[in-house]
Amino acid sequence: QSVLTQPPSVSGAPGQRVTISCTGSSSNIGAGYDVHWYQQVPGTAPKLLIYGNNNRPSGVPDRFSGSKSGTSAALAITGLQPEDEADYYCHSYDTSLSGVLFGGGTKLTVL
Amino acid sequence: QVQLQESGPGLVKPSETLSLTCTVSGDSISNSYWTWIRQPAGKGLEWIGRFYPGDTSYNPSLKSRVTMSVDRSKSLFSLRLSSVTAADTAVYYCATYGSGSDAFEIWGQGTMVTVSS
Repeated sequence: QSVLTQPPSVSGAPGQRVTISCTGSSSNIGAGYDVHWYQQVPGTAPKLLIYGNNNRPSGVPDRFSGSKSGTSAALAITGLQPEDEADYYCHSYDTSLSGVLFGGGTKLTVL
Repeated sequence: QVQLQESGPGLVKPSETLSLTCTVSGDSISNSYWTWIRQPAGKGLEWIGRFYPGDTSYNPSLKSRVTMSVDRSKSLFSLRLSSVTAADTAVYYCATYGSGSDAFEIWGQGTMVTVSS
């Protein structure tokens, strides 16, 4: 089954570093497809945070970075700030689905 | 900068057809891929499908009930989802890619649709 698996929740204190993993398979991330990341504050539309595995759109702070290796990807956030508290989603293409796959989402709590 | 605005009825009866439109402004609706994504309350994002002439694809789990289309004269991107049930209750977003990537750079603000009698 085509799935991108994310931890349901992560947390960290202000100023700390956290990472959010996104584990896929040979039909999506492992097949070489790009991974993208979105930030969603409750009640608002998702916002593109990282595209093409490790690229930041204009305006996204360099505290946010992405990486990809094998069948997994990760989003790292350094220097945590209270406004980083949100839900984060990964996204890739899946050949079995012949379409877009989203991870289940990770809720980041800034302690 | 492209802007997207979803619209449609907030309430649909079970077994009926949900119809939503996405108004595209700020750029031509032609030569772009247009996507619908939905999100049930408290849950994650679900890709519904994307439209491009000759290259349209739908989520296999919804394919039998989904139709997408574009009206270039009105700059509208539309979604029709037939035989709806309570499981189709969600916020529906339209979105499009940025340049040089298949990431969803531009999103509408979303429209809530409730399926209930």
